[in-house]
Amino acid sequence: DTAVSQTPKYLVTQMGNDKSIKCEQNLGHDTMYWYKQDSKKFLKIMFSYNNKELIINETVPNRFSPKSPDKAHLNLHINSLELGDSAVYFCASRGQGRGTGELFFGEGSRLTVL
Amino acid sequence: AQRVTQPEKLLSVFKGAPVELKCNYSYSGSPELFWYVQYSRQRLQLLLRHISRESIKGFTADLNKGETSFHLKKPFAQEEDSAMYYCALRVGGNTGKLIFGQGTTLQVKP
Repeated sequence: DTAVSQTPKYLVTQMGNDKSIKCEQNLGHDTMYWYKQDSKKFLKIMFSYNNKELIINETVPNRFSPKSPDKAHLNLHINSLELGDSAVYFCASRGQGRGTGELFFGEGSRLTVL
Repeated sequence: AQRVTQPEKLLSVFKGAPVELKCNYSYSGSPELFWYVQYSRQRLQLLLRHISRESIKGFTADLNKGETSFHLKKPFAQEEDSAMYYCALRVGGNTGKLIFGQGTTLQVKP
């Protein structure tokens, strides 16, 4: 009955590879996000989708491509991985309406690029 | 520019001491502010939001628009309060984009 689940939790890969992280939420929320937490624990938004439509796209290299097959899923695909991509990636979701600013986060996916 | 600043990376106090985690924001619109907490080996979760004016686990935070601050306070820290605390500002209306501060690690010593 996990609300927001991400897979895999840990990912170790070589530079230049392509990898994906999957996220699913069973809260019935319309909006989902990807955040990146760097080595200094700084959390920065990357993307947001609302009902499968991209609504936030921060200055992220185009090697990162989010995909939302339906409103319960938001996957993150990363091409040509670089050392600097090593981080913890958090998926989150949010319900609609003012006053519902609460984000529900997944446990995070720790990506290590060697 | 929209920004959230938490000036302290680490705050270390003894059990029973008062705690204040500082947060300042920069935003031209009407701010909506939150505190999120990440306990060890747990996911990031909402602690409290300014519009609710609530006290959660003994923590309170008051929005001060004049000083553009939203400091988190607790009169008597407990060891279980040790965690990473993030202040966050909601911008962008219904997109719900949250801008986070750099985070402050609170360490409560016995």
